[in-house]
Amino acid sequence: GAGVSQSPRYKVAKRGQDVALRCDPISGHVSLFWYQQALGQGPEFLTYFQNEAQLDKSGLPSDRFFAERPEGSVSTLKIQRTQQEDSAVYLCASSFRAREHYEQYFGPGTRLTVT
Amino acid sequence: AQSVTQLGSHVSVSEGALVLLRCNYSSSVPPYLFWYVQYPNQGLQLLLKYTTGATLVKGINGFEAEFKKSETSFHLTKPSAHMSDAAEYFCAVSRSGGGADGLTFGKGTHLIIQP
Repeated sequence: GAGVSQSPRYKVAKRGQDVALRCDPISGHVSLFWYQQALGQGPEFLTYFQNEAQLDKSGLPSDRFFAERPEGSVSTLKIQRTQQEDSAVYLCASSFRAREHYEQYFGPGTRLTVT
Repeated sequence: AQSVTQLGSHVSVSEGALVLLRCNYSSSVPPYLFWYVQYPNQGLQLLLKYTTGATLVKGINGFEAEFKKSETSFHLTKPSAHMSDAAEYFCAVSRSGGGADGLTFGKGTHLIIQP
């Protein structure tokens, strides 16, 4: 079946612009995660949804970052007034929230470059 | 807070040789541990996971890992390296220990396979 998809795959933004990154999780997956992966680093947790509820947003680096999942499916990560330090790959992952089946399936990521 | 340390940002082995990628974890709760592989411009793919039960875990592509609580380690091995194994490998631990939460990743190990 279809995996996690993300769009756009590449985004170039001028400093100060707002951007919106989309994630389509695997159908039926109730948990959705966003990660930020800087060049040469491991992914860092940003936020987590269970259905439409944002249960953990402790990893969001500033109040310029905002995520939503209004209908419990597609999610959007929004970054306002982008800064150069926001340049990274943003990864989305989904999982079927059952303890013994806990596995996160990752999308290909959106590479954001802020100039 | 849970954390992982991957020893060696780059590991080089000859084709056919043993692959050993090291991961040590720190966790205040029984850990859920994972190894992911990332190929260029792709998302992460799960190789294997340890949740509970058997401490020797077998994964895809001939990889396996052993959970050693006394050493707080979860090293990844493969008896015979193949050229297609060249990629970035990440060790990760569940942030909460309960399974239904985001992951904390190590910085990654770049595996190089020499012909």
